[in-house]
Amino acid sequence: QKEVEQDPGPLSVPEGAIVSLNCTYSNSAFQYFMWYRQYSRKGPELLMYTYSSGNKEDGRFTAQVDKSSKYISLFIRDSQPSDSATYLCATRKINGQNFVFGPGTRLSVLP
Amino acid sequence: EPEVTQTPSHQVTQMGQEVILRCVPISNHLYFYWYRQILGQKVEFLVSFYNNEISEKSEIFDDQFSVERPDGSNFTLKIRSTKLEDSAMYFCASSATEAFFGQGTRLTVV
Repeated sequence: QKEVEQDPGPLSVPEGAIVSLNCTYSNSAFQYFMWYRQYSRKGPELLMYTYSSGNKEDGRFTAQVDKSSKYISLFIRDSQPSDSATYLCATRKINGQNFVFGPGTRLSVLP
Repeated sequence: EPEVTQTPSHQVTQMGQEVILRCVPISNHLYFYWYRQILGQKVEFLVSFYNNEISEKSEIFDDQFSVERPDGSNFTLKIRSTKLEDSAMYFCASSATEAFFGQGTRLTVV
């Protein structure tokens, strides 16, 4: 079983839609969770970072963590064409330094 | 805003040659990383570095690879005797808690 899994997409939505991106992980030792946005041939850009179950909001982005289900989500409200990118979830163990990435979900927001 | 910078942005090298990829991490971060992303594939961990030594490395990081922090600001990845399959984007990252990534070096081995 892969450590971190994501639906690779592509996911296409109309501009203004609410986007839901999901990620599951297998190891309960993972305690820190991140969402990154990656444009083509660019470095991952940190969007959200959280270490507790529940919701964290930042502008149009909301990260949701359910440690009991080993499930994390990223919601994007009022999606824009500029949100078109690959979204990577990543996680880290409490005593680890290695950030483990999911394969990413490719999102297209259509004008 | 502080950022991780990487040079060069693109490196072309012949198979069997040595390359050095350079990174300047965010200045107050203590953990440094190299990741690799083969075109169309996931971001893969290579190595983490803390307190002037390797703290963790993956199976990918074999004897062909080495890292160094030659001074107080730079962090380098050396690949000896490059192979065609080393062609990828190489990302440097640094962290205090969450990791911040550079824009990457695209390595093409011909």
